[in-house]
Amino acid sequence: EAQVTQNPRYLITVTGKKLTVTCSQNMNHEYMSWYRQDPGLGLRQIYYSMNVEVTDKGDVPEGYKVSRKEKRNFPLILESPSPNQTSLYFCASSYWLNTEAFFGQGTRLTVV
Amino acid sequence: KNEVEQSPQNLTAQEGEFITINCSYSVGISALHWLQQHPGGGIVSLFMLSSGKKKHGRLIATINIQEKHSSLHITASHPRDSAVYICAALLDSNYQLIWGAGTKLIIKP
Repeated sequence: EAQVTQNPRYLITVTGKKLTVTCSQNMNHEYMSWYRQDPGLGLRQIYYSMNVEVTDKGDVPEGYKVSRKEKRNFPLILESPSPNQTSLYFCASSYWLNTEAFFGQGTRLTVV
Repeated sequence: KNEVEQSPQNLTAQEGEFITINCSYSVGISALHWLQQHPGGGIVSLFMLSSGKKKHGRLIATINIQEKHSSLHITASHPRDSAVYICAALLDSNYQLIWGAGTKLIIKP
C-alpha cells in the first residue's frame, strides 16, 4: 500500500530535549516536505527536499533541521525544542511538485 | 491580503445539499491542489488541477486559470463529508506552495 509513515503520532517532551520525528515513504517519490499546522495559521512549510542530499528551507525553518540521506526517509530534528514548537506536524511526499501529494498521519507534539 | 483566499470560512449544510467551496488566488500558478482534512487530523489529497475540470465520485473540482479561481463541488453531500477543505496554489515562479486557510464544512443529517 502506498503510504507516508510518520512516527510518533503523539509526543510530549520537555524544553531542550532533542527529538526526531521520522517520515518514510514507499512510493519512490522525489519530493518530500515537512509542515506544521497551528490554529488560525493553516499549514506552513518548514523544510523541503527535492532529492537525496538536497534540502531547502521553507517558510518557518528556525529551530528545525532535516536530512535526506536516502530517498525514502526525511526525518525532522528538533535539536532544542521550545514551547513555541508545540504544534501538529505533517510530512508529505510527491513524485514532483505538480503531482498528487501524500501526507503522513501527523505528529502532535507538545513541548512543556 | 493573502495570496490564496478561500470562501466561505465555515459552511453548515443539510445532507443532500450541493456544496461549493471557492479558492481565489492573486499570483501566477502552475497548478492547484485541493485537500481534505478529517476531524481526526489526517490530510488526503483530493485533486491536483492545472486546467479544466476533474471529477471523482461526488467531488468535482474546476479551475479557471485566467480568472484565478478554483471551486470544489460536492454533490449529494453526506455527513461523512464533514471536514476541512484546503486549497494550495503552486506558484509558477518558484514552485512554492501557498496554502489557503481552509473551509470547515459540517453536513447535518
